[in-house]
Amino acid sequence: QVQLQESGPGLLEPSGTLSLTCSVSGDSISSLYYWSWIRQPPGKGLEWLGYIYYSGSTNYNPSLRDRVTISIDTSKTSFSLRLTSVTAADTAIYYCARGLRSGDYFEHAFDIWGHGTLVTVSS
Amino acid sequence: QPALAQPASVSGSPGQSLTISCTGTNYDIGTYNYVSWYQQYPGKAPRLIIYDVSDRPSGVSHRLSGSKSGNTASLTISGLQAEDEADYYCSSYSSSGTLEVFGRGTKVTVL
Repeated sequence: QVQLQESGPGLLEPSGTLSLTCSVSGDSISSLYYWSWIRQPPGKGLEWLGYIYYSGSTNYNPSLRDRVTISIDTSKTSFSLRLTSVTAADTAIYYCARGLRSGDYFEHAFDIWGHGTLVTVSS
Repeated sequence: QPALAQPASVSGSPGQSLTISCTGTNYDIGTYNYVSWYQQYPGKAPRLIIYDVSDRPSGVSHRLSGSKSGNTASLTISGLQAEDEADYYCSSYSSSGTLEVFGRGTKVTVL
């Protein structure tokens, strides 16, 4: 059974860099899936940040493109999110998720989610 | 500003049917059948309940169904039960730049 678990600092100062890791168990990242980061400000809706394909190719939300980087760990057991120049607007629960695959096709849906980790940006 | 429009809240009595709308544009729902729906309980991660407009993942109740007409997708909950009280989010692939767009979410209340 595939499980995802986010980890990283829960508190950041403004202008700092947010770094989160998503540990994948029960499956390999090298298995034709898209691996994504999605966030949810407290009491608000979901926002897709970007995803990385097992090959290493990436797509990002244009509203964050200059600040966001998603990468796969060389061990192929986790992937990471890096968001620079954070402000209070980046305070949110950050989820990692796996893209749903049917055969060789990405269904543009997310079937496995981590529990989420709250990141607060405050001085 | 979310790309997909959802009502903030809907409510119904146990046993009734309830429909949540999700309105997009020709860049997303109107052109692609990559519409998905997620159910989220307070303090929990979202759970995929519908993908490809109307397909249900294994284990999802048959009381939940999806459809689409033009630029609007819909989620219908039949035989409303107390356990259906949650937030529901629609999502779609988009060719406008932001590849994956979500709605703001709809809170379902069982009266």
